[in-house]
Amino acid sequence: NAGVTQTPKFQVLKTGQSMTLQCAQDMNHNSMYWYRQDPGMGLRLIYYSASEGTTDKGEVPNGYNVSRLNKREFSLRLESAAPSQTSVYFCASTGAYNEQFFGPGTRLTVL
Amino acid sequence: AQSVTQLDSQVPVFEEAPVELRCNYSSSVSVYLFWYVQYPNQGLQLLLKYLSGSTLVKGINGFEAEFNKSQTSFHLRKPSVHISDTAEYFCALYTGGFKTIFGAGTRLFVKA
Repeated sequence: NAGVTQTPKFQVLKTGQSMTLQCAQDMNHNSMYWYRQDPGMGLRLIYYSASEGTTDKGEVPNGYNVSRLNKREFSLRLESAAPSQTSVYFCASTGAYNEQFFGPGTRLTVL
Repeated sequence: AQSVTQLDSQVPVFEEAPVELRCNYSSSVSVYLFWYVQYPNQGLQLLLKYLSGSTLVKGINGFEAEFNKSQTSFHLRKPSVHISDTAEYFCALYTGGFKTIFGAGTRLFVKA
């Protein structure tokens, strides 16, 4: 049981480049989430997917898109990266009591 | 509106001393409350949760928390900390729907 996995672990982009962060969970959870974590800002919700086939905006969706590919996978895309998107990105899924299971994170630097 | 406030951004403590990390919440409806721990360069992991029933909740690694409805608090405690407890701790609130509200985090620094 791998839990929540994320790829890549690290990424460096130049301003304007695009990339997709991948996330998968093997716990058969319906809901999945993307957060960003910045120093002093705590965790901020970017997008979430309540179930397969649905996605909704969180607090800070601008500059991002998501795809819920199937029940297991939820990807986050940056179409044109900006330095303000330098952050640590976490994917999570939700258990039976709304406890969240987090992946190990992707550390993204945009130059 | 619901909110979570972690009252201390940093807590330094000596090894084997007790520690309390404070969390207050605001909600007009019933709540689920959680504490998560984040070790350096890792994701968050669940320490413990309060859903209902007994107000004293025990978690992993010797941590416990007490739900106090009248004071709207959910403070995390450990009677004797270890160096390995050095991490960031997040209090979180769920009141329904699909969103969890996280506090800003408290950095626990355990000194030898």
